Amino acid sequence: KNEVEQSPQNLTAQEGEFITINCSYSVGISALHWLQQHPGGGIVSLFMLSSGKKKHGRLIATINIQEKHSSLHITASHPRDSAVYICAVGLNFGNEKLTFGTGTRLTIIP
Amino acid sequence: NAGVTQTPKFRVLKTGQSMTLLCAQDMNHEYMYWYRQDPGMGLRLIHYSVGEGTTAKGEVPDGYNVSRLKKQNFLLGLESAAPSQTSVYFCASSYLRGPFSLFFGEGSRLTVL
Repeated sequence: KNEVEQSPQNLTAQEGEFITINCSYSVGISALHWLQQHPGGGIVSLFMLSSGKKKHGRLIATINIQEKHSSLHITASHPRDSAVYICAVGLNFGNEKLTFGTGTRLTIIP
Repeated sequence: NAGVTQTPKFRVLKTGQSMTLLCAQDMNHEYMYWYRQDPGMGLRLIHYSVGEGTTAKGEVPDGYNVSRLKKQNFLLGLESAAPSQTSVYFCASSYLRGPFSLFFGEGSRLTVL
């Protein structure tokens, strides 16, 4: 079973700051997902990547396959970005084999 | 667009009672999943389905049963609830096995007394 470690566990920042959340895993993977869990509990898929970098709005996700590491960056952070961010990795391309991290709780203060 | 809808959102049960959680998706997805989320732990897969009429065990299937009689619905049943099944349950779906994004429901909070 793949071990997934996220850091930091909790992060508080001021509005406008550049945010970085890290995800490390122990075994080579085929795909990595970044998810966002809203304060109300719902979960939204942000990115799915197997190499390189993806960008959507103010969010950027990168992955380094050799180092078994991924980062999620948020530029110009806003209080509405406050959520738990979850990393999930898959050994193969099947979503039924995903291992989920425990999440990073992000709080953006106005 | 409804996406993935879970019912009920909240439920309190007594030990030994039974209940069914319903997951409905309107995206014509083949794959559907039931997860549980517990404090300090990542999401864990209970059961999943690769298409209408199919089900398969995930990481933590004991104490749960599932059915997928229609492509759009995936039911999770607890035949005899136990306090250890107190959790938040999430349903998700994906177009195919992977690598495709997961679409999640809003979650169902179940408390077993």
